[in-house]
Amino acid sequence: EIVLAQSPGTLSLSPGERATLSCRASQSVSGSFLAWYQQKPGQAPRLLIYGASSRAAGIPDRFSGSGSGTDFTLTISRLEPEDFAMYYCQQYGRSPVTFGQGTKVEIK
Amino acid sequence: EVQLLESGGGLAQPGGSLRLSCAASGFTFSSYAMSWVRQAPGKGLEWVSSVSGSGGGTYYADSVKGRFTVSRDNPKNTLYLQMNSLRAEDTAVYYCSKDRGDYADSVRFDPWGQGTLVTVSS
Repeated sequence: EIVLAQSPGTLSLSPGERATLSCRASQSVSGSFLAWYQQKPGQAPRLLIYGASSRAAGIPDRFSGSGSGTDFTLTISRLEPEDFAMYYCQQYGRSPVTFGQGTKVEIK
Repeated sequence: EVQLLESGGGLAQPGGSLRLSCAASGFTFSSYAMSWVRQAPGKGLEWVSSVSGSGGGTYYADSVKGRFTVSRDNPKNTLYLQMNSLRAEDTAVYYCSKDRGDYADSVRFDPWGQGTLVTVSS
């Protein structure tokens, strides 16, 4: 199975700063079938990005995804207070689908 | 608007059974693969199982294979997860989720239900 390693484990930033989250796959993710999810405490995850770089419906344009092959990035251009949360990447290019272990974006 | 509402969680003893349900609305249920994803307390997300739109294709994580059974009742717009031989490590919030189409072996999860908590303890 494809193992996804997210880094850093925790990102401490201030509102208005730029956040860069990394997701590295143990094998190439076919078709760039890579998604990003946001999860806030006590809530279900929400899809942010699919196909490595396409924003899901209703997602603000400060969220962007990039990458291909084994290296993917989620960028939040200017952090808003509501963006402090956990973020997970997921590959759906090869069965079984797998998740990364998550990156926590916390207020500095 | 797509809505997913899980039920059936609760306390079960090790070796016991539970059946989770997920009532779906707002879309043509039979046209989409559906999945279960779980999250142990304080941990990350783990895919558990997926089923094709017709119900004919089912997929399981190795950690639950042979113990859990996913199924669906399309006329009732309901997804199920029968969980047998439960273990302490099955303790988690279980979410149901809809796929982007009928790709049960390569699912993407959107949206998610609110989850139902399963606790396995004596």
